[in-house]
This record gives sequence, structure tokens and C-alpha cells, in this order.
Amino acid sequence: GAGVSQSPRYKVAKRGQDVALRCDPISGHVSLFWYQQALGQGPEFLTYFQNEAQLDKSGLPSDRFFAERPEGSVSTLKIQRTQQEDSAVYLCASSLGREETQYFGPGTRLLVL
Amino acid sequence: DQQVKQNSPSLSVQEGRISILNCDYTNSMFDYFLWYKKYPAEGPTFLISISSIKDKNEDGRFTVFLNKSAKHLSLHIVPSQPGDSAVYFCAASSGGADGLTFGKGTHLIIQP
Repeated sequence: GAGVSQSPRYKVAKRGQDVALRCDPISGHVSLFWYQQALGQGPEFLTYFQNEAQLDKSGLPSDRFFAERPEGSVSTLKIQRTQQEDSAVYLCASSLGREETQYFGPGTRLLVL
Repeated sequence: DQQVKQNSPSLSVQEGRISILNCDYTNSMFDYFLWYKKYPAEGPTFLISISSIKDKNEDGRFTVFLNKSAKHLSLHIVPSQPGDSAVYFCAASSGGADGLTFGKGTHLIIQP
């Protein structure tokens, strides 16, 4: 079956622009996670959804970052007024439940100039 | 403060030999550990996991060992194959946290 998909795969933004990154989880997966992976680092947790409820946003680095999953399926991570330090790969993962194995998408590579 | 540490940025192993990747953790609340494999331009792919109630889990060529007293786990791949060349991430979770905590990864290179 289809895995987790993310779009766009690559995004170049000028500093100050807003960007929106999309994640399509595996069908039927209740839990959805966003991670940020800087160059040479491991993924770092940003936020967690159970269905449409955002239960944990403790990893979001600033109030410029906003995530939503309005119908409990597709999720969007929005970054407002992008800064150069936002340049990273943004990974989405989904799982059947919070403590089940997480399956990752290919990521969106964001470059802020 | 890194809670999951992979101290070897890279490891080179000859094809057919055993690859051993190491991971240390500091948070005693971690109770579930996973290994992910990542190829360039792809997302991490789940390999194998282990619960803190076990000390070993095996799946084909992959075995994960957990030493709770030392807060150390290792991934053994035997025999190593060229397709195993990738970055391997160690990750941990606890019942109280929602996301996984990852190490920085180890780049495994299998030489023919």
C-alpha cells in the first residue's frame, strides 16, 4: 500500500516568505508527527496529532510555526516569515497509534535564502 | 543536552563481515528503542525495535542488543551487504513523551 507522502519535496523561499508543507499519512493511521532535521543532525520532534487533535506542540521552535490536521488525515505545517535558520528537512511520520511504529515520509527540504 | 548519542559519525565494514553500530542514552525514562535506516533523499525506514523488558531482538540479519544498566544499545548486521550502506539512526521513546528522540546517526559504508 501507499506510504507517507509529502509535498513539495523541495522548497526554496526568500527570507520573510510564508511556506506550507503538506503530509499525507498512511490511510487509517491515527497518529501523525512532524520532525525537523537540520544538516548533520537527527530528526527533532516538532508536534503530534491524534486524529484532528494537536496533543503536543512542545517541539515547535517559535510561534511562527503552526500545524493543523483539520479532518484527521492530511496535515499541513506552516512556517510564517521564514528565517534562514528554518532551513532543514521537514519529516512527517504516521502510526496506527501513539506508541506504534512510526513510518516516515521522504521529507520536504526547505532552503531559506 | 543530547539524550541519545551515536558517537561514531561513520563506520566502514567489509562486505560479509559483521557491522556493529552503537548507541548510548542518558534518559532512564526511555522504555522503547528503535533503529531506522536512511538513504539519501529518502525518509528514515524502520528496521528493528526493542522494548526495555527485553535484552535482545532478532530479525533476519539484524539483531539489537539492549544493556539497560549501561544505558547502551547496539545494532548488529551480519553478514553485511552493499545495500546496507546508509545512515543509521538510533531512536528512543518513553511513555510520557509523544515523539521519538533521535541520535545524530552513523554513516555505515560497506566496502566490497
